[in-house]
Amino acid sequence: AQSVTQLGSHVSVSEGALVLLRCNYSSSVPPYLFWYVQYPNQGLQLLLKYTTGATLVKGINGFEAEFKKSETSFHLTKPSAHMSDAAEYFCAVSKSTGFQKLVFGTGTRLLVSP
Amino acid sequence: ETGVTQSPTHLIKTRGQQVTLRCSSQSGHNTVSWYQQALGQGPQFIFQYYREEENGRGNFPPRFSGLQFPNYSSELNVNALELDDSALYLCASSLGQGARRDYGYTFGSGTRLTVV
Repeated sequence: AQSVTQLGSHVSVSEGALVLLRCNYSSSVPPYLFWYVQYPNQGLQLLLKYTTGATLVKGINGFEAEFKKSETSFHLTKPSAHMSDAAEYFCAVSKSTGFQKLVFGTGTRLLVSP
Repeated sequence: ETGVTQSPTHLIKTRGQQVTLRCSSQSGHNTVSWYQQALGQGPQFIFQYYREEENGRGNFPPRFSGLQFPNYSSELNVNALELDDSALYLCASSLGQGARRDYGYTFGSGTRLTVV
């Protein structure tokens, strides 16, 4: 079975500060990993994904994440927060083989203050 | 390239009723998945359709059923609605199976279902 743990249901940063959203996963097979963002009353938008290859993945809006197999982590970072980054962020895992579905964490709400 | 569209955006139903939610997949995508997102939670996988066949199901009872049509659009049907079915229902399309498989699931904006 696969699972995702997102540490911190809420993270608050100041505009211009580093954003770090934590994600740890559990998977019985090599995982594929995803970060999605959800703005109020909207669906999920893919920020970035790791499938194979380079473990440092760059996504949209200046976000990036690093797959660390030894730590079973896939933390999301952004060097400088912008007010428009305020949203709910979900980490998700899927299998790399066989039937694939996304298993999501419970989400982290990012709050950005001026 | 159109994205994933869902209808209706909001819906209020009474306990015991039946509901049908609709999803139009992104152009070129042949796989559709449905997820339920309860308030304050992450999305939970309901089921997935590929080439009009259900090819995977999460931990949801049989009163949750679906259809996928030849044009890859999809429906989610829920019978005998319960209060706990109140949630945001998300449809996601992808290019599943085969050499051109793509793991970038595209989500719609969802249907907010309220059961009273």
